[in-house]
This record gives sequence, structure tokens and C-alpha cells, in this order.
Amino acid sequence: DQQVKQNSPSLSVQEGRISILNCDYTNSMFDYFLWYKKYPAEGPTFLISISSIKDKNEDGRFTVFLNKSAKHLSLHIVPSQPGDSAVYFCAASNNYGQNFVFGPGTRLSVLP
Amino acid sequence: DVKVTQSSRYLVKRTGEKVFLECVQDMDHENMFWYRQDPGLGLRLIYFSYDVKMKEKGDIPEGYSVSREKKERFSLILESASTNQTSMYLCASSSLTSANTEAFFGQGTRLTVV
Repeated sequence: DQQVKQNSPSLSVQEGRISILNCDYTNSMFDYFLWYKKYPAEGPTFLISISSIKDKNEDGRFTVFLNKSAKHLSLHIVPSQPGDSAVYFCAASNNYGQNFVFGPGTRLSVLP
Repeated sequence: DVKVTQSSRYLVKRTGEKVFLECVQDMDHENMFWYRQDPGLGLRLIYFSYDVKMKEKGDIPEGYSVSREKKERFSLILESASTNQTSMYLCASSSLTSANTEAFFGQGTRLTVV
């Protein structure tokens, strides 16, 4: 049973608009959440993270929101750019980084 | 910058061959991981290690083994490669001593078993 879920396999957004990627988790022991971006034939690169003691973290165009009671987090990208087109993975962790559990990914396409 | 290096970007092997995938990290990280990525399934953990000579099974260890003889190096071994092991393999490392830290990934190895 998947502990981290990304229910949208793909998302298309117009350049300049907001992209919202969603993620749900089932294990309440997770206390740290991460978003990774992956281009084809490359390894994932870390994008942004949030600790369970916060509900929002912002870094430039990227903002992650965490709703612990709903076990839900989302990544907002504003404004979206064509270079943001990639697969985005949501991940959850606990125990000082000994276990990173990843979702299946959402493929974002930003159309010019 | 953290660097995680995987020995090959692309590999083609025959069914039944023994395959070694090597990974080296240069940040003195305690934790190292091997994942495989398949479409629609995301990244699935094969094995991880939190210290030299220590290993723990992940979600899909069947058909794989690992070796960690030195802190910086973590090897994934396919004892007898099969076509269902065709996949993208990703190595990662992270610090055990820092809370709220990310995993750093290598560039990946695309393995095709024919």
C-alpha cells in the first residue's frame, strides 16, 4: 500500500500561470516532507522541503503547504516557466533521513 | 556541493549475467540508498545502509544484494539479471547526524536486460 500518493499523473499549465501539485500521505510518523524535480535521464534534484512543525515554506517561485490534519501537502509554482516542465516527486521522511518514501510522481508540462 | 556519482549512465546486460552498479559519495554521509524508478511507480527503495558493512532491506530487495565496505561506496548487485530488472537505478546519500536533511541523488543508471 502506497504511503505517499500523488493522484495526478500529469498536469499541464500555461506559462506564467500557477502550477499546483498535490500529495497525500498515510503514515502519521512522517515529520519531514520534500519535493524533488526530475528531468529525463537525470537523477532527482531537491527542490524544497517542509518540517511538520510548519504549515508553509517559501523559496522564490516555489511554496510548499502542509496540512497535517488532512495528511496533505501541495507545491505551488508561481509563475510557471517552460523550464519547470519535469516530473515532480513528493517524498516523506523520518528518523534523521534514514527513510525517504516517494510518491509515484506528477509530470508537469508548462506550455509556452 | 554534495556529489553522488554512479559508475555508468547506461548499461546493457544479458539475462543471467551478474551485474554490479557502483555508487560513490564525497560528503562523508552515513546513509546510502539504492532505488529503482519505473513509470507510474515512482522511486522504490531496494536497500539502504546507515554504516559500513550494515544493510537493511527496502521494499523490493528480491533479486538484489548490496555491499558497503567503505563509507563512501555503496554497490548494488544483481546476482542473475532478469528482464524485469530493466529500469532506472538511482543511488542516494544523506546525513544521519543532521535532522531534516534531504537525500542527494546520483545521475542514475539506465539498465537494460536483454
